Amino acid sequence: DTAVSQTPKYLVTQMGNDKSIKCEQNLGHDTMYWYKQDSKKFLKIMFSYNNKELIINETVPNRFSPKSPDKAHLNLHINSLELGDSAVYFCASSQAAGGPDNEQFFGPGTRLTVL
Amino acid sequence: EDQVTQSPEALRLQEGESSSLNCSYTVSGLRGLFWYRQDPGKGPEFLFTLYSAGEEKEKERLKATLTKKESFLHITAPKPEDSATYLCAVREAGDYKLSFGAGTTVTVRA
Repeated sequence: DTAVSQTPKYLVTQMGNDKSIKCEQNLGHDTMYWYKQDSKKFLKIMFSYNNKELIINETVPNRFSPKSPDKAHLNLHINSLELGDSAVYFCASSQAAGGPDNEQFFGPGTRLTVL
Repeated sequence: EDQVTQSPEALRLQEGESSSLNCSYTVSGLRGLFWYRQDPGKGPEFLFTLYSAGEEKEKERLKATLTKKESFLHITAPKPEDSATYLCAVREAGDYKLSFGAGTTVTVRA
């Protein structure tokens, strides 16, 4: 039973294309996150949703847009892909956003390569 | 500004050779310090949360400690399966997000 799953695992695409990455969690958590991990392994928060409400929106290009159809799903849409978007994108979830138990559980990652 | 700094960047150990990893942080009010393990090609795996100075937590050969400025992850008598990148992250008071350090990559040779 996968707790946090992402699809696809690998995504290779051309510059200028639009793509989506999907994330689902079956932990019953209220909060979900998107992170970007660059080539230097540095993990940086992009967005977070709590019960379908956007609570974290870091400084990322407008080409990136998260969508949460329900609290178990958080998708990431990327328009007009650029070379610099190549990275590994991780989805994560936690029980609550602001409570003391904020352990985040991560998915396996989606490696995006823009050619 | 970097809130979390981890050292060393890389650590090579012989099996059984104990060592420590450092995570120093600069936040105005700590709401939690988190340690994760990341294997190549996988997502980070949660290890510990520490909330206040003096707190310690253990799991198998790993022990995490916390002071007001830094945390240490001690690896006692490591085995090759302990090879991984260890990530430290902090949550600041009034904030929802975790700020991660760049990680320490540990390699344990048999």
